[in-house]
Amino acid sequence: GAVVSQHPSWVICKSGTSVKIECRSLDFQATTMFWYRQFPKQSLMLMATSNEGSKATYEQGVEKDKFLINHASLTLSTLTVTSAHPEDSSFYICSAYRGGLLSSYNEQFFGPGTRLTVL
Amino acid sequence: GNSVTQMEGPVTLSEEAFLTINCTYTATGYPSLFWYVQYPGEGLQLLLKATKADDKGSNKGFEATYRKETTSFHLEKGSVQVSDSAVYFCALSGYSGGGADGLTFGKGTHLIIQP
Repeated sequence: GAVVSQHPSWVICKSGTSVKIECRSLDFQATTMFWYRQFPKQSLMLMATSNEGSKATYEQGVEKDKFLINHASLTLSTLTVTSAHPEDSSFYICSAYRGGLLSSYNEQFFGPGTRLTVL
Repeated sequence: GNSVTQMEGPVTLSEEAFLTINCTYTATGYPSLFWYVQYPGEGLQLLLKATKADDKGSNKGFEATYRKETTSFHLEKGSVQVSDSAVYFCALSGYSGGGADGLTFGKGTHLIIQP
């Protein structure tokens, strides 16, 4: 398998502040990472696709200026929630794609998630 | 757009019981279908997948068959164990293969196995 970590695992912040969440692939390189959001008792919803070295692709209805994604290296993608408000409180989950023509994998590996609470 | 509907839990069974978790989907084209499992405190793990109609995915005693005619991908296991207690998510990808594409998830089914 492969390991994906997220940091922090939980964060509490005041309304109006910005919060950065990191997603790292620990033992493989990931050209593509994904960010999902999960509300209580709801399914995971894809927010954006993060490609190393290029701009992220956002799903319809996701504000790209509010949820800034940076995939600066093959092992790290960050999600910054800017000017956070209580309605941004949620569980954010990332995944990293491991695959390719020379790989035996063709699969997303998921991080454990980050719980964001905005007061 | 794409959507996945799965039975909501919690589902509580006794050890060694037969398990079925229903999953149906709506999608255009030929999606790939997945079951993921999430154990407490851990990230989602791929349990099994099927990339075309009539394919059967299997792993750890779990099975699911891609039924295009009924747009279903029900998860089954013949004899569950306490260690199978977890949340199970059905998901689809709109493209063949599915690894490099964003996924559409169902709401998840919390499975509780009692000894």
